[in-house]
Amino acid sequence: QKEVEQNSGPLSVPEGAIASLNCTYSDRVSQSFFWYRQYSGKSPELIMSIYSNGDKEDGRFTAQLNKASQYVSLLIRDSQPSDSATYLCAVNALTGGGNKLTFGTGTQLKVEL
Amino acid sequence: SQTIHQWPATLVQPVGSPLSLECTVEGTSNPNLYWYRQAAGRGLQLLFYSVGIGQISSEVPQNLSASRPQDRQFILSSKKLLLSDSGFYLCAWREPGRGTDTQYFGPGTRLTVL
Repeated sequence: QKEVEQNSGPLSVPEGAIASLNCTYSDRVSQSFFWYRQYSGKSPELIMSIYSNGDKEDGRFTAQLNKASQYVSLLIRDSQPSDSATYLCAVNALTGGGNKLTFGTGTQLKVEL
Repeated sequence: SQTIHQWPATLVQPVGSPLSLECTVEGTSNPNLYWYRQAAGRGLQLLFYSVGIGQISSEVPQNLSASRPQDRQFILSSKKLLLSDSGFYLCAWREPGRGTDTQYFGPGTRLTVL
């Protein structure tokens, strides 16, 4: 079983719509959760981190965390063509020691004009 | 502010040749450093991480090795490259002791082994 799972997509949304990206994780004791955006051919860049249950908003982005369901999501409001990228979910890995993150394989988002 | 550099940006190497990729971080002290590989169409695979000079932890047994000769320098090496070593190599850093696991990535090195 994969430790961090994401739908690979592509997820296509029209410009101006809300894009909803989902991620599930298997380690119940994980405490830190991250969303990274990766444009084609580029390195991942941090969008948001979330540590507590509930919603966290930053501009057009909202991260949602439900530890009981082991589920974290990213909502992008008023989607723009520039949001077209692969979105990586990452979870801190407590097993085996060390300060490590486990990444999902990413969801490709396409925002269409 | 902190900056992370990687070089070279792209590299084409024949099978069996050696490899040396370098990563340096500026603006921080004693960072945690990480090497990842991202194969085409696949996720990020953690290869090595380091919490200090000379301290290297290997995540995946393979023909790669890592070294940390200075506090803010992390090197990925191989004596003989395989075709399967092709991919996008990413270095990342984390500020220790900040109560956060956030990692920040360098620009990456795209390696093609022919």
